[in-house]
Amino acid sequence: DAGITQSPRHKVTETGTPVTLRCHQTENHRYMYWYRQDPGHGLRLIHYSYGVKDTDKGEVSDGYSVSRSKTEDFLLTLESATSSQTSVYFCAISESRDSETQYFGPGTRLLVL
Amino acid sequence: RKEVEQDPGPFNVPEGATVAFNCTYSNSASQSFFWYRQDCRKEPKLLMSVYSSGNEDGRFTAQLNRASQYISLLIRDSKLSDSATYLCVVHGSGYGNKLVFGAGTILRVKS
Repeated sequence: DAGITQSPRHKVTETGTPVTLRCHQTENHRYMYWYRQDPGHGLRLIHYSYGVKDTDKGEVSDGYSVSRSKTEDFLLTLESATSSQTSVYFCAISESRDSETQYFGPGTRLLVL
Repeated sequence: RKEVEQDPGPFNVPEGATVAFNCTYSNSASQSFFWYRQDCRKEPKLLMSVYSSGNEDGRFTAQLNRASQYISLLIRDSKLSDSATYLCVVHGSGYGNKLVFGAGTILRVKS
């Protein structure tokens, strides 16, 4: 399995609080992605990164920001959590741009009350 | 209309059965196609790519019909361990030309 970890794995927070999720990889892959997965929806891309300090928005980026200061770490921040951001968040990595093989982390289950 | 649509199922089949899933996509410019597998409360993992000529990997066969814009996955001789959600994935479409995931089809194989 690809070396991807996510922390925390579970989190309960209150509306209006900031939340930061961390993705850490040991594969030295250039591309990293944040997705959210909700019932009835496929995985939806929030933000992605194509290198240190290089990030771009995905399909559902409103209310989220990201940072990548090191190759191995990609942080997702919910600036002011809302109940609609209750979801399962997956980080993924790939070797090349739009690589057919994305390796996913184990996910973070976030509940916003 | 969703860019990638799948029947959510569940498909309940006995061990040894053959089962097929279809997936349709809306963007005719899409370039690559895949099936991912996701076990309950786990992360998705690539199952196989889908080529225009069709491709087979053991008990799994994937086919692409560009004219009708659908992708299929056939599983022969189903095993209990095949129980999972199967995600249809399309590349070359969607926001920023990234992968677009279908919501998945649930398969339950019963003994």
